[in-house]
Amino acid sequence: GENVEQHPSTLSVQEGDSAVIKCTYSDSASNYFPWYKQELGKGPQLIIDIRSNVGEKKDQRIAVTLNKTAKHFSLHITETQPEDSAVYFCAAGYALNFGKGTSLLVTP
Amino acid sequence: EAGVAQSPRYKIIEKRQSVAFWCNPISGHATLYWYQQILGQGPKLLIQFQNNGVVDDSQLPKDRFSAERLKGVDSTLKIQPAKLEDSAVYLCASSSGTGNRYEQFFGPGTRLTVL
Repeated sequence: GENVEQHPSTLSVQEGDSAVIKCTYSDSASNYFPWYKQELGKGPQLIIDIRSNVGEKKDQRIAVTLNKTAKHFSLHITETQPEDSAVYFCAAGYALNFGKGTSLLVTP
Repeated sequence: EAGVAQSPRYKIIEKRQSVAFWCNPISGHATLYWYQQILGQGPKLLIQFQNNGVVDDSQLPKDRFSAERLKGVDSTLKIQPAKLEDSAVYLCASSSGTGNRYEQFFGPGTRLTVL
């Protein structure tokens, strides 16, 4: 089955800096890669996704890049704000095989 | 539109007891999922329904877990008997699953503590 590895497990940045979270996957047949944000006490919420027919997708301060050859994809958050503090999960496949999550802390 | 509803939000039971969780998906969403999220980990899919049929239950511990989705709307997940390692947040999600729209919408989850 699909195996998704996510790094780092924790990330602390200062407000205004950029944050990058990286994931690798094992199943070359996977073609859907979403990123979810989970705030304390809430369910995960989709923030951006990418399909295998594109290499990059951007939505305001958030961007995702995909390298299908290397089987890795990354989340980039620019100009971070305190409200970006949360746990971020990558996933691969429509059945959503999740990584273990990255706890992002943005300090003012 | 209303989101995915789950109840109860919290449940504390002793091992070997039974427990049931309820989920009401977003109206019109044909696909419903149950996930188990252990503290510090990503959600793990337990079962996926398409309308009232099971699409994938390969990771559901069928000796103690069961789920049903009568009439293709609400769903119930049951654990009987519970073990200590079942302590987790149980998340329900739904999606319309039509065309390219595979976004899953998650409920707030039920936090289960087994003592």
